[in-house]
Parts: sequence; C-alpha cells; structure tokens
Amino acid sequence: QVQLQQWGAGLLKPSETLSLTCAVNGGSFSGYLLTWIRQPPGKGLEWIGEIIHSGSTNYNPSLKSRVTISVDTSKNQFSLRLSSVTAADTAVYYCARAPRKDLVSYNLFYYLPVWGKGTTVTVSS
Amino acid sequence: SSELTQDPAVSVALGQTVRIKCQGDSLSTYYASWYQQKPGQAPTLVIYAKNNRPSGIPDRFSGSTSGNIASLTITGAQAEDEADYYCNSRDSSGDRPVLFGGGTKLTVL
Repeated sequence: QVQLQQWGAGLLKPSETLSLTCAVNGGSFSGYLLTWIRQPPGKGLEWIGEIIHSGSTNYNPSLKSRVTISVDTSKNQFSLRLSSVTAADTAVYYCARAPRKDLVSYNLFYYLPVWGKGTTVTVSS
Repeated sequence: SSELTQDPAVSVALGQTVRIKCQGDSLSTYYASWYQQKPGQAPTLVIYAKNNRPSGIPDRFSGSTSGNIASLTITGAQAEDEADYYCNSRDSSGDRPVLFGGGTKLTVL
C-alpha cells in the first residue's frame, strides 16, 4: 500500500522560500508522475507541477517563475520550493502520485489515487 | 487557456440520484477523474479512467463522458456523500498539462 508522507515549514514571512518534501513509502517511484497541488483557504485545488524520476518537470505557468520541483531517487523523495512567497501563497499543500507517465500517455487517463495528508502553509509578517 | 468548468453547488434529496457535471475541451481526449473532499481532509479519488472505482468506493458512484462533458453520478445519495467534488484531467493542448475543475459543493437534503 503506497503512502505519501510530507513535511516542511508551516509558517513563513513574505519574501521567504517555501520548502516541502514528500516521501513515497511502500511503492514504486520510477516513471510515476509525482505531483504538488495546493488549496487556498475556502478555494479549490490548484495544480502546481510534477516531476518524474529522471528529473523531467512540468509547472503551472502562473507559478513557473517561482517554483522548483526536484527529486531524490536514492531516498524515494521529491520536493517543492516556492520562492518569494506572499499572503496569496497561503494554502494547504498536497503531494500526490499519478500513474506512470507512459500509461497516462497511452491510455489517455490521468488520476491521483494517492495523496499526502497535506501541509498547511501560512505566509504572514 | 484550457479549463474545466463545474457548477458551484448542487443539492439532492436523501436517497435520490444526482449528477455532477464537468465541461472542458480536454475531456474530448482524456478521461476525467473525480475526487471527493470533506472538510479538513485531503481529496479522495472516487472515479477514474472512464468509470472505474478505487477499492472501498461504493458502487453508487459512477462516471460517464459525452463529448466534452464528464459526469459523476451518485445513485441513491447518502448523507455521508455531502462534500465538495472536483473533476480533473490531463490536457495536451493548453499551457498546463493538468487541470482541475473549480469544484461542486454537494448538499444532501
């Protein structure tokens, strides 16, 4: 049973850098689309970006200039960094795992069966 | 840019059937997935890949697609189904490869 365990700082000041890490426990890592999603208070889900084990990434254009997603295959972990945060970045941040990229492309499906529990990040001076 | 559109709120009487819709050009190519989210919890996948349910999801949940509209149907809604529901799909034509709908708040009366 795959589980995602995430952690990172929950309180930041404006202009600081958000840093979160997600560990993939009990399941495969290679080829899967490893994803970060956030949800501002009272609002919907926003896709931040994704990475696969090779390091290939895709980012939400609205955040691309500030986002870096990286992977540590030796630890089965992937990380999110978001620079120059403001109050608008206050949200619950989730990591999630989608199916392997080759299956997504071949079967034309995409879904997120496994999620972390979420980390509440508050940006306040 | 591409997007997925959902009605903000839908209500259903206890035991009746409700359909939650999601519209977007990406759904003409990719299957939608659906998530249930209750307050204070992470989203839970309820339907994926046309009409598949993960283990543990009741069979009153089903999915379908017609053209660029995906639907989540709950047949015989229960009180515990009251939640926010989000659709999601891949997108190969826009500037974002992954889309989420804005969410639908389901109230069970």
